[in-house]
Amino acid sequence: QKEVEQNSGPLSVPEGAIASLNCTYSDRGSQSFFWYRQYSGKSPELIMFIYSNGDKEDGRFTAQLNKASQYVSLLIRDSQPSDSATYLCAVIGYSTLTFGKGTMLLVSP
Amino acid sequence: GAVVSQHPSRVICKSGTSVKIECRSLDFQATTMFWYRQFPKQSLMLMATSNEGSKATYEQGVEKDKFLINHASLTLSTLTVTSAHPEDSSFYICSARSTLEGVEETQYFGPGTRLLVL
Repeated sequence: QKEVEQNSGPLSVPEGAIASLNCTYSDRGSQSFFWYRQYSGKSPELIMFIYSNGDKEDGRFTAQLNKASQYVSLLIRDSQPSDSATYLCAVIGYSTLTFGKGTMLLVSP
Repeated sequence: GAVVSQHPSRVICKSGTSVKIECRSLDFQATTMFWYRQFPKQSLMLMATSNEGSKATYEQGVEKDKFLINHASLTLSTLTVTSAHPEDSSFYICSARSTLEGVEETQYFGPGTRLLVL
């Protein structure tokens, strides 16, 4: 059973702070890792993807991957109230995209 | 990023009727598309994997005769909910997989179709 684990939250941070979202996965053969953002009532929106160990930065977002620890994280700098959403970690192993249940992030003004 | 469209965005139908939902990848070819369902405040649930030119692969518990999937081309997959009932009311989301540089894959989601069966 391939699993992707996330803390359901909610994770509450004040505006301007760094939000840190974490995810672990069980399938060591996983190759591709994704972070999606899902606002209530909307479909998931791809924010970041990462394939190699290390950090990948895109604007206020940084994805971090550690394959040895089977751990992937998403940092959001200068958090804004508009970042309040559920963040889904997803992993592609052999062929299927496996989602975590998501972490709800609340950014307070 | 790549764009995936869905039509219609919202549909209301009577119990017993069939509803077709279209999913298109607009700027890339997708040999594989996926259909998900999401009930309020619940996680995404994969219903089936749609492969161009072949039969869809359904997840356990999903009735293939009720949820008909056709992947007619590299840019279009359709989901038909046959003889819909109120318990089929849900948010249906398609997703298409894009291959980057022939090696790495990324999966994009359509905006979803909200189905209400009366």
